[in-house]
Amino acid sequence: ETGVTQSPTHLIKTRGQQVTLRCSSQSGHNTVSWYQQALGQGPQFIFQYYREEENGRGNFPPRFSGLQFPNYSSELNVNALELDDSALYLCASSQKDFQETQYFGPGTRLLVL
Amino acid sequence: GESVGLHLPTLSVQEGDNSIINCAYSNSASDYFIWYKQESGKGPQFIIDIRSNMDKRQGQRVTVLLNKTVKHLSLQIAATQPGDSAVYFCAEKRNTGFQKLVFGTGTRLLVSP
Repeated sequence: ETGVTQSPTHLIKTRGQQVTLRCSSQSGHNTVSWYQQALGQGPQFIFQYYREEENGRGNFPPRFSGLQFPNYSSELNVNALELDDSALYLCASSQKDFQETQYFGPGTRLLVL
Repeated sequence: GESVGLHLPTLSVQEGDNSIINCAYSNSASDYFIWYKQESGKGPQFIIDIRSNMDKRQGQRVTVLLNKTVKHLSLQIAATQPGDSAVYFCAEKRNTGFQKLVFGTGTRLLVSP
């Protein structure tokens, strides 16, 4: 088990609503990355946070946003939820250096009805 | 576009057999690959990684082979056990000013006793 935790484990929302997902990084890690994993697919990179700022972003619209806090924990916010946002949302923590491994949390499963 | 992909969606083996999971990539500049294991209801778990200056790397019961000429890598699991049943992803670590992982769609390994 990694030291990365996520909450909640499951969530059900309706179209148009907003959701906030939370991630606590592994001790000693200063970088958090978020991924979206649709059913039967590999994870897709959403964005990465380092030193409380967005450090890089994948091909996701602006209604996907995030925060990182001084203790390196992070939030993923999604506004105006769409049915296609239903997925497993994973966060991964690491050190910033390229050779450092990303360790994943268990994920939050979001269902949008 | 560039991608990381897997040859087979499902691999079924008998307990005790050796398993080989294959992965192809298209970006000849790719130089860092990681294999992750994802069990049902869990986040991806790091197994082993390899850089392009190597063609083989071994871990506990696992070996990763990298063939840069044909842009192919494989994960070999020795003496496969029921606990190895999971979805296996190869991922490319890309450095575009920040590190992000690009995953394939995964291979499901089924181990029968």
